[in-house]
Amino acid sequence: ETGVTQTPRHLVMGMTNKKSLKCEQHLGHNAMYWYKQSAKKPLELMFVYNFKEQTENNSVPSRFSPECPNSSHLFLHLHTLQPEDSALYLCASSSELGDGYGYTFGSGTRLTVV
Amino acid sequence: GQNIDQPTEMTATEGAIVQINCTYQTSGFNGLFWYQQHAGEAPTFLSYNVLDGLEEKGRFSSFLSRSKGYSYLLLKELQMKDSASYLCAVRVDRGSTLGRLYFGRGTQLTVWP
Repeated sequence: ETGVTQTPRHLVMGMTNKKSLKCEQHLGHNAMYWYKQSAKKPLELMFVYNFKEQTENNSVPSRFSPECPNSSHLFLHLHTLQPEDSALYLCASSSELGDGYGYTFGSGTRLTVV
Repeated sequence: GQNIDQPTEMTATEGAIVQINCTYQTSGFNGLFWYQQHAGEAPTFLSYNVLDGLEEKGRFSSFLSRSKGYSYLLLKELQMKDSASYLCAVRVDRGSTLGRLYFGRGTQLTVWP
């Protein structure tokens, strides 16, 4: 248990489905992040929320839609995905001051788009 | 953008010492992190360097040279459980924007008995 919980751990969805990934942290952090991790590629920052306000969207396609109802919860809504979107999606959190401990990551959701 | 380079794979034997290098080119640099990630698990924090020099923490040490854009992670007395991917990440601060972590591709370390 890392302090950041992601559900589900695994998800298989068709290209016409709609699904949501959930992330929850009770570390008192106020910043939360979505990263995409594909094989042989660096972690790609997708979205950043600070005090539940979106502060960054790194040119992510609109088929990915984030939602942050409060500082402890973060969602990633998925619809009409493509096979190339298959990857490990990691959620992370940090304190605003960005102390020397960096980010705390969840275990991720392994997404397969068929 | 950020150019963060580290070897893709390394192998070593149990009890040995291994050094994983990371080079970076970025503006707004404000610290370098190393994370360990076992297959199917979350990346976990190993070390943080913001000033030049060596930080030692048990069997793991990390070094930073800001002028050279270079860091390494040193693992001593290797154990089988050290087989994992090691991620180098740089923190970038620009103006009032909350610092971001940008990651290298990771180095897959395999420890053989």
